[in-house]
Amino acid sequence: GAVVSQHPSWVICKSGTSVKIECRSLDFQATTMFWYRQFPKQSLMLMATSNEGSKATYEQGVEKDKFLINHASLTLSTLTVTSAHPEDSSFYICSAKLAGESAEQFFGPGTRLTVL
Amino acid sequence: GQNIDQPTEMTATEGAIVQINCTYQTSGFNGLFWYQQHAGEAPTFLSYNVLDGLEEKGRFSSFLSRSKGYSYLLLKELQMKDSASYLCAVLDSNYQLIWGAGTKLIIKP
Repeated sequence: GAVVSQHPSWVICKSGTSVKIECRSLDFQATTMFWYRQFPKQSLMLMATSNEGSKATYEQGVEKDKFLINHASLTLSTLTVTSAHPEDSSFYICSAKLAGESAEQFFGPGTRLTVL
Repeated sequence: GQNIDQPTEMTATEGAIVQINCTYQTSGFNGLFWYQQHAGEAPTFLSYNVLDGLEEKGRFSSFLSRSKGYSYLLLKELQMKDSASYLCAVLDSNYQLIWGAGTKLIIKP
């Protein structure tokens, strides 16, 4: 149980285009989902916390107009990287938290974005 | 500020035991997680400690001392597949996960 999927697994795009990444909780309802970014040999950096039906809470330094997050249902959150640039190339990972008291986050497999 | 410290890299021999330490200074504490992350993959959950003491789970054990702001992950009977990064993360008073930079563990035959 508690499986999280991400799509796509990897994407290569041209500079200036927008890329949408989907995060789905397959067998549970996730009231809260998290979006992380990880650069090579670095730890996870939380970008934003997404609660179903409300606006995402962005971490300091993360541009909300560039990284659009939509958490329209209890099983789906999307991250759209708008007008992507080479410096946005990174490993993007989502995680989901079960409703209730459990603090554990279940991670998706990640999406590797390369912007040319 | 909030800070999680763990060694950058460790090397151990197959079949041996290794202890990865983590010290933390956070605004509040609601538990400490250890995750394993293989290169190019997402983290996978290993353990969660919220009370002082040792939690054993197979070859892996995790220890917590809240008064010292200290935890360690103990890996026994090391296997080559244990080569990975090990991430320490603390849940702060806002239930936000604060991540360490990770410890890259290299297992040699």
